[in-house]
Amino acid sequence: KQEVTQIPAALSVPEGENLVLNCSFTDSAIYNLQWFRQDPGKGLTSLLLIQSSQREQTSGRLNASLDKSSGRSTLYIAASQPGDSATYLCAVDASGTYKYIFGTGTRLKVLA
Amino acid sequence: AAGVIQSPRHLIKEKRETATLKCYPIPRHDTVYWYQQGPGQDPQFLISFYEKMQSDKGSIPDRFSAQQFSDYHSELNMSSLELGDSALYFCASSLGRGASGELFFGEGSRLTVL
Repeated sequence: KQEVTQIPAALSVPEGENLVLNCSFTDSAIYNLQWFRQDPGKGLTSLLLIQSSQREQTSGRLNASLDKSSGRSTLYIAASQPGDSATYLCAVDASGTYKYIFGTGTRLKVLA
Repeated sequence: AAGVIQSPRHLIKEKRETATLKCYPIPRHDTVYWYQQGPGQDPQFLISFYEKMQSDKGSIPDRFSAQQFSDYHSELNMSSLELGDSALYFCASSLGRGASGELFFGEGSRLTVL
């Protein structure tokens, strides 16, 4: 059974820092991995989608990498801003049908 | 750009009542997904539909049913509500059954069962 873990569970950093969020999954046979952002009580905003044949994706200050063999993905946030404060979730799709298994999330707080 | 629309955004029901949640996918998206996120929990996959047919099924209770209509909108029906059904229910949509494109989520419908 696929299990997805995110470390750290919570992170507090000063504004301007570069940071890395980690996502680990137990079964390397995945189709996609997607990173989401969730603000308190709100919906999920897609950040980056990495398909199994890809190793990384970039969007603005965000860069996500995928290493299927080691069961890991990282989300790199450059020059963090207070507006980046949210919970970040990674989700793994093992079937190619978006039957996602979500990680436990990392609660990020960027201090002004 | 149009997003996934869910209604109602908030719903309060009593135990044993019935609730219906609606989801309107992004235009031209033919696949919808339902997820349930309990308080402090990560989202759990419930069910998905592709071209009006059930595509995949997750941990959806037997008390729940869902369908996708000819205009691709979907409804999640929940009967005999229990306190544990209180959660944020997300709908998501994508183009095509295969995960070749991104999955887009709605803002969610918050169900509170008293």
